[in-house]
Amino acid sequence: GAGVSQSPRYKVAKRGQDVALRCDPISGHVSLFWYQQALGQGPEFLTYFQNEAQLDKSGLPSDRFFAERPEGSVSTLKIQRTQQEDSAVYLCASSLAQFVRRTMNTEAFFGQGTRLTVV
Amino acid sequence: QKEVEQNSGPLSVPEGAIASLNCTYSDRGSQSFFWYRQYSGKSPELIMSIYSNGDKEDGRFTAQLNKASQYVSLLIRDSQPSDSATYLCAVGNDYKLSFGAGTTVTVRA
Repeated sequence: GAGVSQSPRYKVAKRGQDVALRCDPISGHVSLFWYQQALGQGPEFLTYFQNEAQLDKSGLPSDRFFAERPEGSVSTLKIQRTQQEDSAVYLCASSLAQFVRRTMNTEAFFGQGTRLTVV
Repeated sequence: QKEVEQNSGPLSVPEGAIASLNCTYSDRGSQSFFWYRQYSGKSPELIMSIYSNGDKEDGRFTAQLNKASQYVSLLIRDSQPSDSATYLCAVGNDYKLSFGAGTTVTVRA
């Protein structure tokens, strides 16, 4: 597909359940990001991958959150033992830019997101 | 203090008018600046990017950047009902984007 694809679109989890959210970035995009968007707020950075390397995970809220991109393409965000405060929309974005040096055209494109509701 | 602040909304404008959105940021080292449009229940859609001081025009949209004042704005000319959405200002530092909370715009027919 032409855009960033995320699945599932909606996920309802019981408190304590583990969930896995998938992201298919735009083909050829080196950089991949996960963001968390709470209701009425802007997205908040979670983690950044350049190819398969996770270069920054400083935004992950706790050690219950884990992300991987083993082959430098598809990425999975896993949340263990979900809590109610994890309820949010999880957005994946990808970018052609490598961010190795200052570059122009660092635009990032977002997927449709996964709306996670923990009950 | 939040890294990125946007003018509080909601902003209601009549069809055909100009909508003016403002954004300030705290990190003077920020390098890239973006405006995203987000319809209710949808993902953010990139509508403008700007990297150097001055104005950048794209159709009915004009982005303005003033790095000395740490200020970014977006003007929407000839506003249409389809422009009704939340507009997110995003400021980039290397790979990380910091977003404002968004300004909701409603264009009245």
